[in-house]
Amino acid sequence: EDQVTQSPEALRLQEGESSSLNCSYTVSGLRGLFWYRQDPGKGPEFLFTLYSAGEEKEKERLKATLTKKESFLHITAPKPEDSATYLCAVQARASGGSYIPTFGRGTSLIVHP
Amino acid sequence: DAMVIQNPRYQVTQFGKPVTLSCSQTLNHNVMYWYQQKSSQAPKLLFHYYDKDFNNEADTPDNFQSRRPNTSFCFLDIRSPGLGDAAMYLCATSASGTSTDTQYFGPGTRLTVL
Repeated sequence: EDQVTQSPEALRLQEGESSSLNCSYTVSGLRGLFWYRQDPGKGPEFLFTLYSAGEEKEKERLKATLTKKESFLHITAPKPEDSATYLCAVQARASGGSYIPTFGRGTSLIVHP
Repeated sequence: DAMVIQNPRYQVTQFGKPVTLSCSQTLNHNVMYWYQQKSSQAPKLLFHYYDKDFNNEADTPDNFQSRRPNTSFCFLDIRSPGLGDAAMYLCATSASGTSTDTQYFGPGTRLTVL
């Protein structure tokens, strides 16, 4: 069974204090790993897709990296508007012609001014 | 802008009173998904449509049904809502068959059961 574990569950940072969120996974045949941002009361917003170990992607203050067992979301010099829950999902399980992602529970990030 | 739209954003129903949530998309994606998400939990897949083909998750209660009358629309029917069905319901779409299968989510419908 595919498993996705995100850590920490919650993270509080001061504005400008860089840190990393972790997503470790156990799947058979990874097709892709996704990072989403979810604001309270809203649907997840797509950030990145990573396909293979060693791949990196960046968007503004966010940088996602992937190894064979885990992914990191690095946040450089965060601002209060980066406060949100960050969800990781791995795509491996095939069902009905599509590949179904398995989501982690997310890391709740709060950035204090 | 192409998007996934969910209506209503907030739905209040009574215990046992049927409710229907709707989802529409302008992305022309062939796959549509329904997720249930409770507070501080991962989104839980209920079912998905690959084109017109319905795919139910093994642990989705029979109380949950879905319809997809055309490519753009998908509905979630909860036949007899219980207190445990109060949650955020998320609709997502993807263009399966491409290299990414990235899911794009709607804003969600918050369901309250009284």
